[in-house]
Amino acid sequence: QITLKESGPTLVKPTQTLTLTCTFSGFSLSTSGVGVGWIRQPPGKALEWLALIYWNDDKRYSPSLKSRLTITKDTSKNQVVLTMTNMDPVDTATYSCAHSPVADTLSHFDYWGQGTLVTVSS
Amino acid sequence: SYELTQPPSVSVSPGQTASITCSGDKLGNKYACWYQQKPGQSPVLVIYRDSKRPSGIPERFSGSNSGNTATLTISGTQAMDEADYYCQAWDSSTVVFGGGTKLTVL
Repeated sequence: QITLKESGPTLVKPTQTLTLTCTFSGFSLSTSGVGVGWIRQPPGKALEWLALIYWNDDKRYSPSLKSRLTITKDTSKNQVVLTMTNMDPVDTATYSCAHSPVADTLSHFDYWGQGTLVTVSS
Repeated sequence: SYELTQPPSVSVSPGQTASITCSGDKLGNKYACWYQQKPGQSPVLVIYRDSKRPSGIPERFSGSNSGNTATLTISGTQAMDEADYYCQAWDSSTVVFGGGTKLTVL
């Protein structure tokens, strides 16, 4: 059974760096084709993809946020970490991680974490 | 950047067929998938690779993708299908989501 859970601060101040951890079970990020992605959703708004990391350490980023994002993995701990710099109130959103069973053009997310609400406010 | 366009809302009567579209340039040349999201819940994958249903998704959910439009069809729509639906595709090594469609069953 695949599960994912996000953890990190619920409140960050403007200009600070956000660090979120996705801890998962039921699969290995060393399995060929597998990836973990981060997606966010501002309150009442649409899903927005942020980043994706694959089993082979290949990383993909949203073009509009690429300069602010870093995604890494720790295969031994079954964790994926996302950092986002220079946080702004418009970054207030629920941040979720999700499992991708296949790479690239076939990528989709078949298991999602419950998400964590991050509020950016001074 | 690549964009996927969905109608903001679709209404359907119980038992009828609901169709939700997702438009993008040459979308038919890519693979599309669909997620259902109910209030306060995480998205659930209902269609992947244009028309495949994950295990546990009812047969009334189907998908197609051709030309510039992918379509999610819900046959015999039930009240429990009322939710937001998002399409997603892959373009230029990035994931793209549509803006979402609120399906109302009334």
